[in-house]
Amino acid sequence: KNEVEQSPQNLTAQEGEFITINCSYSVGISALHWLQQHPGGGIVSLFMLSSGKKKHGRLIATINIQEKHSSLHITASHPRDSAVYICAGLYGGATNKLIFGTGTLLAVQP
Amino acid sequence: DSGVTQTPKHLITATGQRVTLRCSPRSGDLSVYWYQQSLDQGLQFLIQYYNGEERAKGNILERFSAQQFPDLHSELNLSSLELGDSALYFCASSGHQGYYSPLHFGNGTRLTVT
Repeated sequence: KNEVEQSPQNLTAQEGEFITINCSYSVGISALHWLQQHPGGGIVSLFMLSSGKKKHGRLIATINIQEKHSSLHITASHPRDSAVYICAGLYGGATNKLIFGTGTLLAVQP
Repeated sequence: DSGVTQTPKHLITATGQRVTLRCSPRSGDLSVYWYQQSLDQGLQFLIQYYNGEERAKGNILERFSAQQFPDLHSELNLSSLELGDSALYFCASSGHQGYYSPLHFGNGTRLTVT
């Protein structure tokens, strides 16, 4: 079993739709990063979560520590949101290592 | 603009050769991380430096080495290159809280080994 699992692998949405990307992770992971990678390859950090919920513009990230699950939501999606979204789990403490999910390829059509 | 600078953007070299990838972190960031992204393996953590010292090691091959200099820039050295080393290499930096701070990524170096 992978330490960080994302779903779905691919997602196609119509402009304006509400989008959810899910991430489940293993015991031992203490925080989660959500990243966005555009077709040109550049990576942007969206959120770092160790508890609760964070919001930035149309993006919302939540994490449930007990269920070891995190979600990334995009409200009022737009074609410019088309990218690969990657969650990465942090093994903190002495390990201090980030384990990446395989990514969700999102295409938002106009 | 993340403030993290990676050079070169592209590198094409032959098997058996050695290359050096360079990363300048965002101003004020003490941590530098190196990652490899290949088509078959996805993103993998290679190594982290904090203020000049190695902090954590991931799936870094023995043929690869890195260092962080007093001015905090970092270099990743890849030697005895193989075809399978072809990948995107990213550097990221973060503040004093390490991974509990936001990560700032460079634009990556695309390495092609022929």
